[in-house]
Amino acid sequence: LAKTTQPISMDSYEGQEVNITCSHNNIATNDYITWYQQFPSQGPRFIIQGYKTKVTNEVASLFIPADRKSSTLSLPRVSLSDTAVYYCLVGPSNQAGTALIFGKGTTLSVSS
Amino acid sequence: NAGVTQTPKFRVLKTGQSMTLLCAQDMNHEYMYWYRQDPGMGLRLIHYSVGEGTTAKGEVPDGYNVSRLKKQNFLLGLESAAPSQTSVYFCASQVAGANVLTFGAGSRLTVL
Repeated sequence: LAKTTQPISMDSYEGQEVNITCSHNNIATNDYITWYQQFPSQGPRFIIQGYKTKVTNEVASLFIPADRKSSTLSLPRVSLSDTAVYYCLVGPSNQAGTALIFGKGTTLSVSS
Repeated sequence: NAGVTQTPKFRVLKTGQSMTLLCAQDMNHEYMYWYRQDPGMGLRLIHYSVGEGTTAKGEVPDGYNVSRLKKQNFLLGLESAAPSQTSVYFCASQVAGANVLTFGAGSRLTVL
């Protein structure tokens, strides 16, 4: 299973773009990269998922270089409500019996 | 459609007592997971299940047992609770073929 490494914490101000990078050097061919957001006292929730290049949805963008050894979650124009812990998860999409292991996540603090 | 429901939400135990946490999902998901979350430790996988009647160990299985007698339910048991098991426990489910987890709201357990 691919191990992930993220910065422990990041600080930003409202209106700025935030980029959180996740390193996954031993990612496997059939692994997908999924990002989750967790607010205090809540369970994590899905933000975005990708396999290669770029994926964009209404919340974020996910950039994955050709070698797929890292990925970057981009949050455009953050607000105070984006203060949360962000987790990068790497794992196969169609393989049964997979233990999905989370890293320690990145705590994003947004100030006004 | 309630998603993933965990009961109880809060529980205080004395050392040596036993208890069971219940996770129920109504999405017909094949895979289910139990994680624990401690301050600064991120999410750590305890046990998981890839189908009814099947369970497997995760990163930190010691002191816990699980059962998946029905597809929609995944039970986490503590036979003899210890203070080190004070934590917030999250259950998650995943549909086969998609690497996206749906989490419950969590169960906060305190062992005195």
